[in-house]
Amino acid sequence: DTEVTQTPKHLVMGMTNKKSLKCEQHMGHRAMYWYKQKAKKPPELMFVYSYEKLSINESVPSRFSPECPNSSLLNLHLHALQPEDSALYLCASGRQNNEKLFFGSGTQLSVL
Amino acid sequence: GQNIDQPTEMTATEGAIVQINCTYQTSGFNGLFWYQQHAGEAPTFLSYNVLDGLEEKGRFSSFLSRSKGYSYLLLKELQMKDSASYLCAVRANTGFQKLVFGTGTRLLVSP
Repeated sequence: DTEVTQTPKHLVMGMTNKKSLKCEQHMGHRAMYWYKQKAKKPPELMFVYSYEKLSINESVPSRFSPECPNSSLLNLHLHALQPEDSALYLCASGRQNNEKLFFGSGTQLSVL
Repeated sequence: GQNIDQPTEMTATEGAIVQINCTYQTSGFNGLFWYQQHAGEAPTFLSYNVLDGLEEKGRFSSFLSRSKGYSYLLLKELQMKDSASYLCAVRANTGFQKLVFGTGTRLLVSP
């Protein structure tokens, strides 16, 4: 299994809603990532988890709350988002020092 | 911090060769990656360079010069399906795989 699975594929939410994005991998990777990608822009790193512990937070607003319940799962909890948070949210995983990341197909988020 | 630059857009003809350049400035360097991304899809890994020189993988080759902060991706025998964005990404020397992506190059291959 060389896949990173993200759900849902599409999500529309209001600014007062609470929702969660989910990511799963079964490749034994111990590093997992959240990236945000706006249209026609490159992915921007949000969070890095290493061995289920948060290693990097790229100054992301607190309305985004990551969680890593175990080595295979990564969640991103969303609350009180703004319309400018609308983007493609990509999850990725990799070995600690391997040469490549595996990306999921992303969740296209629209905040109304 | 990191600064990674690529041309915004390029066009080429089916069957031709195209070279996509990437220049970078980084406080710590631990490898350079090229990813391909079709519209609305996830980035997929193409190549990795950590030492100077050329890495060849089928129709795709990637070159790195660490002293010049320069890399290129060479695509040969272009096919229509190669129309995509090509992302250069630099791994910072943090001990973790912190990949920072460049601005990306949208390549359009025409018949």
